[in-house]
Order: sequence, then structure tokens, then C-alpha cells
Amino acid sequence: DTGVSQDPRHKITKRGQNVTFRCDPISEHNRLYWYRQTLGQGPEFLTYFQNEAQLEKSRLLSDRFSAERPKGSFSTLEIQRTEQGDSAMYLCASSRFWGQETQYFGPGTRLLVL
Amino acid sequence: QKEVEQDPGPLSVPEGAIVSLNCTYSNSAFQYFMWYRQYSRKGPELLMYTYSSGNKEDGRFTAQVDKSSKYISLFIRDSQPSDSATYLCAMTGSDYGGSQGNLIFGKGTKLSVKP
Repeated sequence: DTGVSQDPRHKITKRGQNVTFRCDPISEHNRLYWYRQTLGQGPEFLTYFQNEAQLEKSRLLSDRFSAERPKGSFSTLEIQRTEQGDSAMYLCASSRFWGQETQYFGPGTRLLVL
Repeated sequence: QKEVEQDPGPLSVPEGAIVSLNCTYSNSAFQYFMWYRQYSRKGPELLMYTYSSGNKEDGRFTAQVDKSSKYISLFIRDSQPSDSATYLCAMTGSDYGGSQGNLIFGKGTKLSVKP
């Protein structure tokens, strides 16, 4: 069990640029989640996948955000036309299908939009 | 009113003290309750998980859920400087016989244990 990994760990970009983050879940977990965490707040749910199907999206996920999990393994989260308000820690978590409340988090990708 | 309320602290205690952390919530549909520990600039680490009401103990940690009061607690006995971190409560409801996927988190309580 190598844990959830995320890449990159840090990203600095200029406003208006597109960024893409990658998440590799724990290998036997078929559920994958994305959360966003800003300073002094708890993580906020963005979206989740069961295998390759995206089952739920939060209203926090604006049209500029898109997530994919094409083969039911790793996932990518893309933010288009970044805004300063997108600066946050983007966290990925994974779980088994049964026991999806016990989610295991990766180290996060810290995004700073200048 | 937010769905989950948690005092952000900071909370400072001497080494060896018993620490009490708690959250209140408003959604009676929540049935799964978790506590996560998060060190600075790291991802949250799952500490405890409880289904419905009751107590659960794991080493120095005890989680309590009182659904009638919509109140959950985490107790840390014999606290250590290495326990210094932010503690996040999280919860979710049921869906089709299992839990829903989206966890609702509190803001987190920042704990500092002084040697």
C-alpha cells in the first residue's frame, strides 16, 4: 500500500493560465475524490469518481474546472483560465466502494495564482 | 449556520494533558463520523471512524458520537508534542445502504502540546 500520491506538490501560475493536477489513488480503491482546502478552512468536496464514472459534482466546481479518470485509475483535475480565488490546496482521496466514508488523502497540490 | 461547526482554537495544553476536541452539526442525516489529523502543509490523515452513536477507542484516542445532541468528540489521553496538529472532524450521510461519498468537514482545531 503506497498511499495516495499527487503531482505536482506545488504550482505557481499567472492568472489566466491553465493548470492540471494528477492524482494516483491506492491501487485497490475504485472511488476517487477531489477536495479543495483554503487557509483556515476544512476541505470542501469538489467531485468524485467510481471507477471511470464521475458520479457527483459540487456546485463549487465551476465551468472552468474539469476532472477526468479515463481508465478508472489515476485522475486529473484541470483548471482553465485560473483566477486568484483558485489559490488553495487541492486534495485527492480514495476509498473502497464499500467503506467510502474511510477516505485516505494524498499530500495535496498547493496552487498559488499570481 | 454551517452544517458542521468546530472551534478553530488555537488550543494549547501541557504535555500529558487530556485533550477534548468537539464538533456540532445540524444535519440529522449524518451517520458516519470521522476525525482526521493534519500536520502543517500535509494532507489529512484518518485517525478514527465511528458509525452512528457510541464510543470507539484506539490507543490514546477515544471518539464519541451523541446523535441526539448532534455532538461529536475526540479525546486524546497523555498528549504528546507530536500530537500538535490541526484536528478536523468530518461526517457524511447514508446512501443506498452505504455512506455517501462527499465528506463534510469542520474548520479544524489547531492543537499545540507544549513539552
